[in-house]
Amino acid sequence: DAKTTQPPSMDCAEGRAANLPCNHSTISGNEYVYWYRQIHSQGPQYIIHGLKNNETNEMASLIITEDRKSSTLILPHATLRDTAVYYCIVRLSGGYQKVTFGTGTKLQVIP
Amino acid sequence: GAVVSQHPSWVICKSGTSVKIECRSLDFQATTMFWYRQFPKQSLMLMATSNEGSKATYEQGVEKDKFLINHASLTLSTLTVTSAHPEDSSFYICSAGRGGPHNYGYTFGSGTRLTVV
Repeated sequence: DAKTTQPPSMDCAEGRAANLPCNHSTISGNEYVYWYRQIHSQGPQYIIHGLKNNETNEMASLIITEDRKSSTLILPHATLRDTAVYYCIVRLSGGYQKVTFGTGTKLQVIP
Repeated sequence: GAVVSQHPSWVICKSGTSVKIECRSLDFQATTMFWYRQFPKQSLMLMATSNEGSKATYEQGVEKDKFLINHASLTLSTLTVTSAHPEDSSFYICSAGRGGPHNYGYTFGSGTRLTVV
């Protein structure tokens, strides 16, 4: 799996959009970008994933650059419950590929 | 759908005893499950890949005789920490992947907080 680089921490005001960047310059053509988050003392939660097109679901939007070397997770209206560690991962598709986690970004949503 | 149940959520045991943690996929079959552990303020560290009906694959540096993994059915994998010591105290998390050509994200259990006293 390709390595990813994320800022260690970010703050965001409640109600504003949170934009979390991720660099994955060594991503290969068949690797997907996945985002998970981990709220304190819980298991990670899947957020969104994409290959090359931008994606949106009820939780977030994922913007992937045209060269696929970086991406941004957008939480459109951050709430206090979005305070968590966010992990960006690149991996091959399929249910059998192991996932290794980097250090992630600790997002603190401020009232 | 895609629920993974992990039990117990927390356990305290005495040094030298063994502890078993269960990971169940409730509404899907998981031929592959993964075990992680996480120390305070650190990221998740992959320990091993659990394959139904075969031996687990351990990551480098993880003692297979200490962390016994059994994946006897398509919905259950267990991790047994044998002869536990205080340094084994950690947050243990399992995840399960769904079969098929494309995976919409692994589902993780809620984790087990192990404290060895």
